[in-house]
Amino acid sequence: IQMTQSPSTLSASVGDRVNITCRASENISMWVAWYQQKPGRAPKLLIYRASTLETGVPSRFSGSGSGAEFTLTISGLQPDDFSTYYCQQYNSYSFGQGTKVDIK
Amino acid sequence: EVQLVESGGGLIQPGGSLRLSCAASGFSVSSIYMSWVRQAPGKGLEWVSIIYTGGSTDYAGSVKGRFTISRDNSKNTVFLQMNTLRVDDTAVYYCARGLGALDTWGQGTLVAVSS
Repeated sequence: IQMTQSPSTLSASVGDRVNITCRASENISMWVAWYQQKPGRAPKLLIYRASTLETGVPSRFSGSGSGAEFTLTISGLQPDDFSTYYCQQYNSYSFGQGTKVDIK
Repeated sequence: EVQLVESGGGLIQPGGSLRLSCAASGFSVSSIYMSWVRQAPGKGLEWVSIIYTGGSTDYAGSVKGRFTISRDNSKNTVFLQMNTLRVDDTAVYYCARGLGALDTWGQGTLVAVSS
């Protein structure tokens, strides 16, 4: 199963609402997770089962979608959110290509 | 506290072998799926392998037949035996746990394959 993530790069300002999309090559129900990765660090789980927020993750992060199209939304971008984000489907575990969110 | 610590990375020549270890604490590696994920320099994440609670395993096509995942329940450690290494296996290798989504990751260990 291929995961196509877009955009690859996103320029935004503090306070912006941003959306990152992943499209699966087939129906994967809700078996999608989203991760945040900062340079030199391991990824951190943000959302699982498409829309469930991991414990301790700020509520400005949300996930939506089912079937083959999924979205990660950050409502009110904070300075700590400038990172790279990955989706992952866990039918067969492949990742999207990543989206780097940088400062406009 | 749940923690994963990888070790065993290093510089190796093409065609060589290396065994990575992932020592777990705060939980039992036999009670949850354990995965290896790698990241080549400047690139994205690539899932490599998984060992399920029942002991069955699965691999990415790029490593199938060359890599073997295993675990030692008595040492609470997961291993990745990597044989016939290629230059494009160069990456930071992370171990991670999760029954689907990966909720805990180690700090990673660097494997550099070069002559």
